[in-house]
Amino acid sequence: EAGVAQSPRYKIIEKRQSVAFWCNPISGHATLYWYQQILGQGPKLLIQFQNNGVVDDSQLPKDRFSAERLKGVDSTLKIQPAKLEDSAVYLCASSLEGTSYEQYFGPGTRLTVT
Amino acid sequence: AQKITQTQPGMFVQEKEAVTLDCTYDTSDQSYGLFWYKQPSSGEMIFLIYQGSYDEQNATEGRYSLNFQKARKSANLVISASQLGDSAMYFCAMRLTADRGSTLGRLYFGRGTQLTVWP
Repeated sequence: EAGVAQSPRYKIIEKRQSVAFWCNPISGHATLYWYQQILGQGPKLLIQFQNNGVVDDSQLPKDRFSAERLKGVDSTLKIQPAKLEDSAVYLCASSLEGTSYEQYFGPGTRLTVT
Repeated sequence: AQKITQTQPGMFVQEKEAVTLDCTYDTSDQSYGLFWYKQPSSGEMIFLIYQGSYDEQNATEGRYSLNFQKARKSANLVISASQLGDSAMYFCAMRLTADRGSTLGRLYFGRGTQLTVWP
């Protein structure tokens, strides 16, 4: 089966610009996660969707970050305006609903803010 | 609050030898799962092994085994017969598995250990 797809793989922007990342989860996976991984650290959850509803966005900086999953399939994460500290790898993961414990990760999008 | 600690920033092991990567965790919950992920330089997180807090036996998956010591709150990863392709970043993670509402599902990660396998 196809894995989690993400695009773009790399993005360089200047501070105060906006950027969007796209994620297509594994077919049939109801749960979708966005993680932020800053260099030298482990991933940190930004937002979790169950189908097209938000389950957990407690660590999402809502003044500049937004995410949507309109049809319960693919998802978009946006940053507007970007700050230098947003430079990180943004990982998307998906899992089956319910008792499945394994999250499958995409290759990530490496964002550099200059 | 949930916390994962990996105290080894880097580890070196010779090919074909075994290596242990340390992980300790902190939670007041009784129901949780512990995971190990591998992250090669390509960036993708690859699931390796899982241990549930109520599992009585240590988990094993091929060359990977998890040394689970619940009283000490440790979940060390043991890689036997290391291979050059094992060189990567390794992350320990925890997830609450009791129904806690919105926090269910989130993985809490440590800072990782960079493993280098030399010939």
